[in-house]
Amino acid sequence: DGGITQSPKYLFRKEGQNVTLSCEQNLNHDAMYWYRQDPGQGLRLIYYSQIVNDFQKGDIAEGYSVSREKKESFPLTVTSAQKNPTAFYLCASSPGQGFAYEQYFGPGTRLTVT
Amino acid sequence: SQQGEEDPQALSIQEGENATMNCSYKTSINNLQWYRQNSGRGLVHLILIRSNEREKHSGRLRVTLDTSKKSSSLLITASRAADTASYFCATDVGRRALTFGSGTRLQVQP
Repeated sequence: DGGITQSPKYLFRKEGQNVTLSCEQNLNHDAMYWYRQDPGQGLRLIYYSQIVNDFQKGDIAEGYSVSREKKESFPLTVTSAQKNPTAFYLCASSPGQGFAYEQYFGPGTRLTVT
Repeated sequence: SQQGEEDPQALSIQEGENATMNCSYKTSINNLQWYRQNSGRGLVHLILIRSNEREKHSGRLRVTLDTSKKSSSLLITASRAADTASYFCATDVGRRALTFGSGTRLQVQP
């Protein structure tokens, strides 16, 4: 099956701990994205990557970090510097630059920090 | 503020009725996309309409784009209970990524 996987589905952490969310795709897509979604809200872009070993900040990158060492993987680390990390995190990919192509989304990871 | 804003924020209709959602945006775009999100799930792409297109169809979906008014509409005909979801428009704003609106929450009563 081709697609995007995110793990885990639910994640619980204590305040002050860093946590890494996994995102893997086997669609052979060049571009990958991380979004954050708060209850009843739309998606806000955290980071995106057009190609391996390159990534760009989105609208709300503070307190987050990413890496893109492999084409199929784009993990997101939520650091202790993120002031309000509890949210639903969505990973997506597209064949090329985001605005010209549809994006394929993973099922999401719901992070709760207490 | 968001580039794309959907209207209404919430919509409740009976099965079989048509549902219309609108999206307004502020700056020039290359294309506009519509996505659906079932509760607690990832988004699913519905339609992409380019700035030089005025209307596009896909099954029971009809999307229009009016670049002079900077607005788009999504029409779902003969709605079904399974259409219950949130619907988002997304625009490119000349960047390499998409900007999503806050969505319209559609409830289709059986």
